[in-house]
Amino acid sequence: GAVVSQHPSRVICKSGTSVKIECRSLDFQATTMFWYRQFPKQSLMLMATSNEGSKATYEQGVEKDKFLINHASLTLSTLTVTSAHPEDSSFYICSAPRPSSGNTIYFGEGSWLTVV
Amino acid sequence: EDKVVQSPLSLVVHEGDTVTLNCSYEVTNFRSLLWYKQEKKAPTFLFMLTSSGIEKKSGRLSSILDKKELFSILNITATQTGDSAVYLCAGTFGNEKLTFGTGTRLTIIP
Repeated sequence: GAVVSQHPSRVICKSGTSVKIECRSLDFQATTMFWYRQFPKQSLMLMATSNEGSKATYEQGVEKDKFLINHASLTLSTLTVTSAHPEDSSFYICSAPRPSSGNTIYFGEGSWLTVV
Repeated sequence: EDKVVQSPLSLVVHEGDTVTLNCSYEVTNFRSLLWYKQEKKAPTFLFMLTSSGIEKKSGRLSSILDKKELFSILNITATQTGDSAVYLCAGTFGNEKLTFGTGTRLTIIP
């Protein structure tokens, strides 16, 4: 079964609004989680590393004020897309290393965001 | 800059064929190489390789890592239509962040 859960799996929002995506580790504590973005027929691009108890680390070119990350607990990280625009429409995926599996990185189910 | 390159970009074979997918990497501080299968949603884990020369096997899938030549292969024998997917190779270099290759899109024709 899944070890990392993401919610919602699909969301549609209007331009200018904000939308929050949740990522939960189900049977382990994750001090670190990763957020990726994937455009159709392209590979995953790392956006940021979410760190429990401290600020997220953003990859070059990713706007930290637009993509707010909060690692609220050892099992939950959230990604909030603020003031969404149609070009933010994408597939967002989170992942986390699972210590009991030798830190194998497991992915959530992903969230399709459509901004209209 | 750490880099992962996969080949071929796409591959079309008939059911029952054997395929080999390639992954090479350039790293400064290699830790592990992972293979994932991605169908319509998020990637599902296949293998994690850390040691050179030791084959990992799961059913019809197997993978091996060559740390000297900096590459890995993923083999699928007796392919089935359900094997059609994008296969992603990723490396962890120095931390738990994954650097992905572009993926190989595998299509199995019945």
